[in-house]
Amino acid sequence: DSGVTQTPKHLITATGQRVTLRCSPRSGDLSVYWYQQSLDQGLQFLIHYYNGEERAKGNILERFSAQQFPDLHSELNLSSLELGDSALYFCASSVLEGGYTFGSGTRLTVV
Amino acid sequence: QKEVEQDPGPLSVPEGAIVSLNCTYSNSAFQYFMWYRQYSRKGPELLMYTYSSGNKEDGRFTAQVDKSSKYISLFIRDSQPSDSATYLCAMRISGNTGKLIFGQGTTLQVKP
Repeated sequence: DSGVTQTPKHLITATGQRVTLRCSPRSGDLSVYWYQQSLDQGLQFLIHYYNGEERAKGNILERFSAQQFPDLHSELNLSSLELGDSALYFCASSVLEGGYTFGSGTRLTVV
Repeated sequence: QKEVEQDPGPLSVPEGAIVSLNCTYSNSAFQYFMWYRQYSRKGPELLMYTYSSGNKEDGRFTAQVDKSSKYISLFIRDSQPSDSATYLCAMRISGNTGKLIFGQGTTLQVKP
């Protein structure tokens, strides 16, 4: 157990739907990062939150949004889902200058 | 051109071999360098973390960073079948954005 908790582990949904992925960081980590991993793209950075504030955005689609709550857990919202959004979504947490610790991921399948 | 290049392999070696995994990068601002191991699409696991240039050793693993050549390496000594996984290099600049840039990953198979 890495200490980073992601739920749900698996999600199957239809095109056009909206889903919410949840992440609880390791105790004491203020930074939360979201990554998408698909077979042909590798690990792609989506967004970074630090202590509730957005710090950096990567290749995140406008259909996707995220937030970090006062208790430091984070949610990634994916809407108007397309088949191409099927991927593994990872959350990671860290102290500011440290290495990342990843969760076990959410496998999203859009049918 | 990608910021971080990594040969995807696959790389197949016999048990006990020394494995060398490498990445090159183009952004000279990268200061922090990491190696992750990922089993079967599970969450990546941090193996080695290095700041700037130099070597770092941890058990059977040695990480090397050569900033002048923009080249990093991970060596695995006495490789075991349990080392069979995908190895991802990752790096980032200093500062509070914290964004890690990953290589594509190298798939390693260690045969008994």
